[in-house]
Amino acid sequence: AQKVTQAQTEISVVEKEDVTLDCVYETRDTTYYLFWYKQPPSGELVFLIRRNSFDEQNEISGRYSWNFQKSTSSFNFTITASQVVDSAVYFCALRDSGAGSYQLTFGKGTKLSVIP
Amino acid sequence: DARVTQTPRDKVTEMGQEVTMRCQPILGHNTVFWYRQTMMQGLELLAYFRNRAPLDDSGMPKDRFSAEMPDATLATLKIQPSEPRDSAVYFCASGLGTSSSYNEQFFGPGTRLTVL
Repeated sequence: AQKVTQAQTEISVVEKEDVTLDCVYETRDTTYYLFWYKQPPSGELVFLIRRNSFDEQNEISGRYSWNFQKSTSSFNFTITASQVVDSAVYFCALRDSGAGSYQLTFGKGTKLSVIP
Repeated sequence: DARVTQTPRDKVTEMGQEVTMRCQPILGHNTVFWYRQTMMQGLELLAYFRNRAPLDDSGMPKDRFSAEMPDATLATLKIQPSEPRDSAVYFCASGLGTSSSYNEQFFGPGTRLTVL
């Protein structure tokens, strides 16, 4: 069975601080996909990144970076120089590659509050 | 800028009434998902379709929930009769999936359902 754990329920940081959101996953599959979504106070879910299990390169996009560590089954998300607009709930999700399998398993989310 | 649209955005109804939520997936996407989000359970997958055919609806209470795709541009989720415990935000998402590849899901703005 697949499982995604986001151990941090809530995090508060002061603007301009760096913050890392943790994500640990469990799967028996050797091929799988990992995702991060952002849910701002307005409620919509915004796709941030997808990573497949064969690509362990870390990725940077502006102030966002992702650290994929297959050895520890982790896919952590770091925001550098946080801003108030980063305040949101962030979800990590997992999807395996089984034939006909398209569903995502979501973690419970981490609520990030960036204080001005 | 292609987006998933959902109607209504907010719905307040009384217990026992029928509720129908609608979703228009992004044009060209062949997979459609329905999720429910509550504080207690987080994001739960209710059902999903590929090429308009239902692939999995095991997350849905069968006695009162039904999901359909009358055509490629419309997905519906119906609750009859509604109960207070159905109060939640219901998200529709669409994506482009094939048997050998999978892309990210794009979410609609959600329908906030309140059953009194």
